[in-house]
Amino acid sequence: DVKVTQSSRYLVKRTGEKVFLECVQDMDHENMFWYRQDPGLGLRLIYFSYDVKMKEKGDIPEGYSVSREKKERFSLILESASTNQTSMYLCASTPGGSFSGNTIYFGEGSWLTVV
Amino acid sequence: AQSVTQPDIHITVSEGASLELRCNYSYGATPYLFWYVQSPGQGLQLLLKYFSGDTLVQGIKGFEAEFKRSQSSFNLRKPSVHWSDAAEYFCAVGTMDTGRRALTFGSGTRLQVQP
Repeated sequence: DVKVTQSSRYLVKRTGEKVFLECVQDMDHENMFWYRQDPGLGLRLIYFSYDVKMKEKGDIPEGYSVSREKKERFSLILESASTNQTSMYLCASTPGGSFSGNTIYFGEGSWLTVV
Repeated sequence: AQSVTQPDIHITVSEGASLELRCNYSYGATPYLFWYVQSPGQGLQLLLKYFSGDTLVQGIKGFEAEFKRSQSSFNLRKPSVHWSDAAEYFCAVGTMDTGRRALTFGSGTRLQVQP
């Protein structure tokens, strides 16, 4: 089975801190994604990456950056955390090439609270 | 750009009753359509997907969905709901647009099942 692992399930950070959310997938997928999930808003795409060191902005990239130094790992970075970034963050991956409707595999999510 | 509308934020049904969750999409060409389910505190699990062909698709856990191009809809149905179906359900659309390699999700419908 494909496994997408988000190492931190629950985090509490202070305003202004730099926050790293890590995601690892074990199926050699080219595409990886970071979504943010908020009640009533569903999932919104923050960033995605289709290859090592390649990244594209999603719908809500402001306040976030990403890093993909290795194919299996995709990190989301909050340079200076703010309270409006309190949310659940979901990582996902899918096989490569252009999007072709492949099944997207999700991690279990990281709950971030910024105080 | 594509979009997805799930008009029902919250639905309550009795165990054993039938279920229909609504989903409308907006996209100029034929979309790829998905339904995902999220149990409390968990990531998303794929229920079913539509790419082409038969407009009635069968998924896991006894769910099915019907693609109706004329109505831009992809409603999810189950003839008899079980208490374990209580969860949040997300409809999503994907496209052939290679500049957009990620799914667009609706805001979700939370299903509550009464005994």
